[in-house]
Amino acid sequence: EIVLTQSPGTLSLSPGERGTLSCRASQSVSSNYLAWYQQKPGQAPRLLIYGASTRATGIPDRFSGSGSGTDFTLTISRLEPEDFAVYYCQHYGGSPLTFGGGTKVEIK
Amino acid sequence: QLQLQESGPGLVKPSETLSLTCSVSGGSISSSNYFWAWIRQPPGKGLEWVASIHYSGSTYYNPSVKSRVTLSVDTSKNQFSLKLRSETAADTAVYYCACATYGPFDYWGQGTLVTVSS
Repeated sequence: EIVLTQSPGTLSLSPGERGTLSCRASQSVSSNYLAWYQQKPGQAPRLLIYGASTRATGIPDRFSGSGSGTDFTLTISRLEPEDFAVYYCQHYGGSPLTFGGGTKVEIK
Repeated sequence: QLQLQESGPGLVKPSETLSLTCSVSGGSISSSNYFWAWIRQPPGKGLEWVASIHYSGSTYYNPSVKSRVTLSVDTSKNQFSLKLRSETAADTAVYYCACATYGPFDYWGQGTLVTVSS
C-alpha cells in the first residue's frame, strides 16, 4: 500500500499569496498517477489535477501540479478567496487507492 | 455530464448491515472505461477509498474492509450498491459514490451521512 503524507497540515496565507502544498509517497507512484482534490465544508471533493500536472476541465490556471516518483507539489500561484479549503492528494496507479491526510489552507 | 446520487439509511445499528445505492444519470453505468467507487469520510477527518467496481463485475476492495464489503451493479436501473456488514461506530462517516472515467475520481455524489449507533 502506498502511504501518502501531506505537509503542512495547515497553511495560513493571505489572499494574493502563493501556496505550496507537498505530497510525499512511501514508494514511487507508477506513471505519475497522482491526483489533487479540493474540498470545501459540506461539499464533495473536486478534482483539480491528474497525472501529477494536468489540470482537470474548468480548473483555473493559478493551480499547477508538479513532481514525479515520490515527491509531488500543488501550487496555487495567487490565492483567491474561494481557494481557502482542504486539499488532498491521491494515487490511482493500483489497488488499494489511497489519499493523503489533507492540507488545510486557511486565511491568515 | 454524469450525475451521481447516494441513497440509503442515515442511521444503522451496531453489528447490522449498511446498504447504500448510487443512482447514475447523464451516462451509462455500462460504459467500458468507467469505474464506480465508494469513498468515505469520518466526521472531521480525511478521505478513505472503500471499494470500486466495473460494470463487468471486476471489484477492488480496501483491505481494511474487504472481509465485510459487497459491491454490485444493476445495469437495468443504472445503479450500483454497497453493502457493509458488521457495522461499528468506526464506520460512521459521510459516504460518497464517485466515478473514475479515466483514472482519478472526476465525478462525485453529494455524499450521505451514515451514523452507526444504537
